[in-house]
Amino acid sequence: AQSVTQLGSHVSVSEGALVLLRCNYSSSVPPYLFWYVQYPNQGLQLLLKYTTGATLVKGINGFEAEFKKSETSFHLTKPSAHMSDAAEYFCAVSKAGNTPLVFGKGTRLSVIA
Amino acid sequence: GAGVSQSPRYKVAKRGQDVALRCDPISGHVSLFWYQQALGQGPEFLTYFQNEAQLDKSGLPSDRFFAERPEGSVSTLKIQRTQQEDSAVYLCASSLDRGSPDTQYFGPGTRLTVL
Repeated sequence: AQSVTQLGSHVSVSEGALVLLRCNYSSSVPPYLFWYVQYPNQGLQLLLKYTTGATLVKGINGFEAEFKKSETSFHLTKPSAHMSDAAEYFCAVSKAGNTPLVFGKGTRLSVIA
Repeated sequence: GAGVSQSPRYKVAKRGQDVALRCDPISGHVSLFWYQQALGQGPEFLTYFQNEAQLDKSGLPSDRFFAERPEGSVSTLKIQRTQQEDSAVYLCASSLDRGSPDTQYFGPGTRLTVL
């Protein structure tokens, strides 16, 4: 079975500060890993995904994540937070193929001016 | 182009009523997924289709939940005899199935409130 743990249900950072959202996964097979962002009253939007190859993945809006197999982690980072980054962020894992995603509980990011 | 659309966006039902939630996937997308998102939680898988075939319905919480995609395009999630615990946002996603894994594109969701 697969599972995702997101440490910290709420993270608050100052505008311009580093954003770090933590995600650890459990998977019995090589995982595919995703980060989605959800703005209020909107659907989820893909930020980035790891499938195979390079373990540092760059996504939209300046976000990136690094797959660390030894740590079973896929933390999301952004060097400098912007007010528009305030949203809910979800880490997800899936198995090979177009199979359902297993999501973490989410981390709400607040950006303080 | 048009994304995934869902209707209605909001639904209020009295306990015991039946409801039907519609999902229009992106044109040409082969796979369609339904997820349930309770307040303050991440989405949880309900069921998914590849074209008209329902490949996995292991996430449906009870036999009151039923989903169909008869022509391999639009899908309907039906909940019979709604209960308060069914209150949640129901998300639909579709993917093209070009590769492994392909990106799932999500609709805005239907917020169901059962009184």
